[in-house]
Amino acid sequence: EPEVTQTPSHQVTQMGQEVILRCVPISNHLYFYWYRQILGQKVEFLVSFYNNEISEKSEIFDDQFSVERPDGSNFTLKIRSTKLEDSAMYFCASSEDGGSSYNEQFFGPGTRLTVL
Amino acid sequence: AQSVTQLGSHVSVSEGALVLLRCNYSSSVPPYLFWYVQYPNQGLQLLLKYTTGATLVKGINGFEAEFKKSETSFHLTKPSAHMSDAAEYFCAVGGFGNEKLTFGTGTRLTIIP
Repeated sequence: EPEVTQTPSHQVTQMGQEVILRCVPISNHLYFYWYRQILGQKVEFLVSFYNNEISEKSEIFDDQFSVERPDGSNFTLKIRSTKLEDSAMYFCASSEDGGSSYNEQFFGPGTRLTVL
Repeated sequence: AQSVTQLGSHVSVSEGALVLLRCNYSSSVPPYLFWYVQYPNQGLQLLLKYTTGATLVKGINGFEAEFKKSETSFHLTKPSAHMSDAAEYFCAVGGFGNEKLTFGTGTRLTIIP
């Protein structure tokens, strides 16, 4: 069964460093998402991406964050200069269709980011 | 704006007992409602969803949920708990024309043998 994969499973970094979290969405999916969950808090939407453009982003997704689809299979989230409060589990998701949450989003297992 | 409240961050039930996980939502538009399950070291897996139509929705692994507009609720139930149901459960809300899902804080379900 096709699944969304994410690497690495755990990333530890120093404050101020850049990190890139990687995701491989399901191959025929066209819509991609990043969510995050700070320990003990809600899963929060960060950004949605379609046709090489951001289609929606939350207020959390500021200039420190960027997303990219560098090739036909990967979808990445870059944090330019990490802060302590960026420590969280980051989930990637993809859907075959988009424009509405009616379409099922398939989630990866997450990357746990720890900023020291 | 949309939000979700899940009552009970931890719920324990005996094997064979009824599972009831509570979810209340707030939405300024007709909601789409979802329950996701997360097993250790795995992604969020869709259990069931309500978009329109029948308010009692059946999902995988014997779970079901009922959309009650008057109570703004979408509680998840299963008549008889199994050890394999131990996991974290997330309720989420979306809507037509709204791509993003808004999640609750999750409920960790423990099954007592």
